[in-house]
Amino acid sequence: GAGVSQSPSNKVTEKGKDVELRCDPISGHTALYWYRQSLGQGLEFLIYFQGNSAPDKSGLPSDRFSAERTGGSVSTLTIQRTQQEDSAVYLCASTLGQWNTEAFFGQGTRLTVV
Amino acid sequence: AQRVTQPEKLLSVFKGAPVELKCNYSYSGSPELFWYVQYSRQRLQLLLRHISRESIKGFTADLNKGETSFHLKKPFAQEEDSAMYYCALRETSGSRLTFGEGTQLTVNP
Repeated sequence: GAGVSQSPSNKVTEKGKDVELRCDPISGHTALYWYRQSLGQGLEFLIYFQGNSAPDKSGLPSDRFSAERTGGSVSTLTIQRTQQEDSAVYLCASTLGQWNTEAFFGQGTRLTVV
Repeated sequence: AQRVTQPEKLLSVFKGAPVELKCNYSYSGSPELFWYVQYSRQRLQLLLRHISRESIKGFTADLNKGETSFHLKKPFAQEEDSAMYYCALRETSGSRLTFGEGTQLTVNP
């Protein structure tokens, strides 16, 4: 596809369950970001992948959160033992490179933990 | 660590009035600054970047290093400008993109 694709669009899960969110970046984009968008909280940085470098995981809120990027392309964000406060829209973005490049965002995954 | 502050969560103006969305940042180096916009039910997208010194949809933003600000301005607001606006910063080392909390702009008829 032409843009960043995220799946699923919506996810409702029970508290305590694990969830996986997927992001397909634009082909050829070397950098990939995950953000969390909560009402009144803005865009909270979670993790950043750049090429073959070690990811910047400094934004992950707890050890229940992890992410990987396979083959420099698709990324999966995993949340273990979900809590109600994890409910948010999770956004993925990719950029062509590191320097002054536009970030292209996916449509997001709306996660609801009940 | 870098930080981006947008002091106004909500901003409401009338059509034809000037609008200014404030953005302040803290970063010890020379940053790259951006404004992103999210219209209702659409994806977050780039509006403009400071290095391009461009005007997009009538909006401009000037980087003021002395005041560490990057305010977004438009002389005559339009109803279609109603959206969520985010200011963002990237370190020149090319690491993560940090966003502010966002400002919800409403332009009333």
